[in-house]
Amino acid sequence: QSALTQPASVSGSPGQSITISCTGTSSDVGNYIFVSWYQQHPGKAPRLIIYQVHKRPSGVSNRFSGSKSGNTASLTVSGLQAEDEADYYCCSYAGSNTVMFGGGTKLTVL
Amino acid sequence: QVQLVESGGGLVKPGGSLRLSCSASGFTFSDYYMSWIRQAPGKGLEWISYISLSGTNIYYADSVKGRFTISRDNAKNSLYLQMNSLRADDTAVYYCARDPEWNYHFDYWGQGALVTVSS
Repeated sequence: QSALTQPASVSGSPGQSITISCTGTSSDVGNYIFVSWYQQHPGKAPRLIIYQVHKRPSGVSNRFSGSKSGNTASLTVSGLQAEDEADYYCCSYAGSNTVMFGGGTKLTVL
Repeated sequence: QVQLVESGGGLVKPGGSLRLSCSASGFTFSDYYMSWIRQAPGKGLEWISYISLSGTNIYYADSVKGRFTISRDNAKNSLYLQMNSLRADDTAVYYCARDPEWNYHFDYWGQGALVTVSS
C-alpha cells in the first residue's frame, strides 16, 4: 500500500485561497466517497475538517471545502488566516476495510 | 465531552513488547468502531488497525499484521493495542481514534502515546 500523493508544501497570503491535491488510484480515491481531510498543528492531534469528500463536521469553518474528480481529491481553504498554518492530510478508504493517508502537506501563510 | 486518552507508551528494546491502552469517555464506546493510527517522528499519518463494535471484525495494515493485536473491552470503555516483535521503524506516536458509523473517517482522536523502539 502506497500513500496517497500530496504536495509537500503550499503557501498563500492572508485572504487568499489555496488548494491542496490528493492523488490516488481507481482502487481508493477514485472508487469511494470515503475521502476525508485532517488538519494538524505542531505537537497536536489531527482534527477532522472534511469527510465523505465534501462534508464539514459541526464547528469547522465554511472556509474549508472539499471536492473530488476522478482519482484526485482536493481541499480548498479560502480567506486564508494565520491560524490555518498547519499540516494537512488526506485519507481514503482503500478497500478490504483498510484506510490510507496521504503524505501530508505543510501550509504556510505568508 | 468526548475524550480519548492513550497510555502505556515508553521505551522498549527491539524485539520487545508493549501494550497501549485508550480510555474513552463522553460517549457510548460500544456504539463506535475504533482505530489505531500512528505517526513516526517528523512523518505522516499511518493507519494500522480497525476493530468493529463488538470486536468480532478486526483489520490490520500489512506493516503490523502478525505482530500487533487490537482489542476492546466495552465494559471498561477501553481500546487496546498489543505490540510484539517491535522494530525501530515502529517508533511513533500512536493515536486511538473514533470512526462514526464505520464511514472510514475519524472524528475524535486522543492526544497520542509515544513509543520508542531502541537499544
